[in-house]
Amino acid sequence: EAGVAQSPRYKIIEKRQSVAFWCNPISGHATLYWYQQILGQGPKLLIQFQNNGVVDDSQLPKDRFSAERLKGVDSTLKIQPAKLEDSAVYLCASSQVTENIQYFGAGTRLSVL
Amino acid sequence: QQPVQSPQAVILREGEDAVINCSSSKALYSVHWYRQKHGEAPVFLMILLKGGEQKGHDKISASFNEKKQQSSLYLTASQLSYSGTYFCGTEISGGYQKVTFGTGTKLQVIP
Repeated sequence: EAGVAQSPRYKIIEKRQSVAFWCNPISGHATLYWYQQILGQGPKLLIQFQNNGVVDDSQLPKDRFSAERLKGVDSTLKIQPAKLEDSAVYLCASSQVTENIQYFGAGTRLSVL
Repeated sequence: QQPVQSPQAVILREGEDAVINCSSSKALYSVHWYRQKHGEAPVFLMILLKGGEQKGHDKISASFNEKKQQSSLYLTASQLSYSGTYFCGTEISGGYQKVTFGTGTKLQVIP
């Protein structure tokens, strides 16, 4: 069974630039999560989708972050414009509706200079 | 509210045991445990549900005290492969599936 796919693995940008991350969840997983993990901390939920609807985006900085999940499958997370404090690993995870076990992708490591 | 884990870090020799604790200020529906090795994604270990049901790893055990909103992860006869950072995640209500991850416990097993 294929796991959660994310791209790119690494991205280096300058502050005020924009960046986008892509995630393809495990086939059949209706729930998709985007997390931000700052070095030395636990993953922090940014947004949670169930199919193509948003379940929770209470911690998403909406002035600069946006996410979409068209057709209820893959998803993109965008930052525009980026700030220095956005440097982190962005993790995507997916789970089945009936079983809340989250499977994580390898993540995208973002460095904002 | 982010759950609090203790200890923050621990070093073990192979074969020794360890306990990692997770504490929440809110009533919990479930507690999840994940392990993350350096530079890798978190990997699911175990989920403990309100009412006593458990699902997960056959070499790692855990407990869930619903009244105290606490969970403990027990690592027995540790192996080098157990090294990594352990995160607990707490879920307040079933069906919603939002998990809030804790502060993490860094475990290092040495020969």
